[in-house]
Amino acid sequence: AQSVTQPDIHITVSEGASLELRCNYSYGATPYLFWYVQSPGQGLQLLLKYFSGDTLVQGIKGFEAEFKRSQSSFNLRKPSVHWSDAAEYFCAVGEEGGSYIPTFGRGTSLIVHP
Amino acid sequence: SAVISQKPSRDICQRGTSLTIQCQVDSQVTMMFWYRQQPGQSLTLIATANQGSEATYESGFVIDKFPISRPNLTFSTLTVSNMSPEDSSIYLCSVEEQGSGYTFGSGTRLTVV
Repeated sequence: AQSVTQPDIHITVSEGASLELRCNYSYGATPYLFWYVQSPGQGLQLLLKYFSGDTLVQGIKGFEAEFKRSQSSFNLRKPSVHWSDAAEYFCAVGEEGGSYIPTFGRGTSLIVHP
Repeated sequence: SAVISQKPSRDICQRGTSLTIQCQVDSQVTMMFWYRQQPGQSLTLIATANQGSEATYESGFVIDKFPISRPNLTFSTLTVSNMSPEDSSIYLCSVEEQGSGYTFGSGTRLTVV
């Protein structure tokens, strides 16, 4: 069964600094990969997804992620963080060719200092 | 993308009672999904609801505790039955959009006292 590991429970950055949130997955076939953001008291918003093609994926709000098959990783990046980016970030993986209902990682809480 | 409305947005319930959560989508979708997010935890899939058939439950979730209805292609309900404090969670509805991934509602924050 697929699994997702987000090794960092909390990440603290200063506003304007760059950001990288780590995500590793365990799955034998080609995965479908997602990053979601959850602001306090809100539902989940899709930031970006990878199904196939270019391994560098651009998303909303200035985020990008790179799929690295050799490392089984799909890390999320942003060159300059804004205070409004403070939220919970979830990586998720789905299964190609079937019901690719995503399995979620435990999430990384992003704290942004002014 | 699809717009999902969930009701109620939050509720505080007495133990032993039941709560029905509604999920309305602004377009027709084949599958709808219900997730639970326990405090400080990630999302766990409860069940998949297809119109016209019984919901498919994930391991650890049973129909008697979480009955689901799916009367048409735009609507579903999840009932949390005979609640206990351990059921305090955020419950989220989700739909699949072909080629776009999964869209989520804003969730129902349930507190059982």
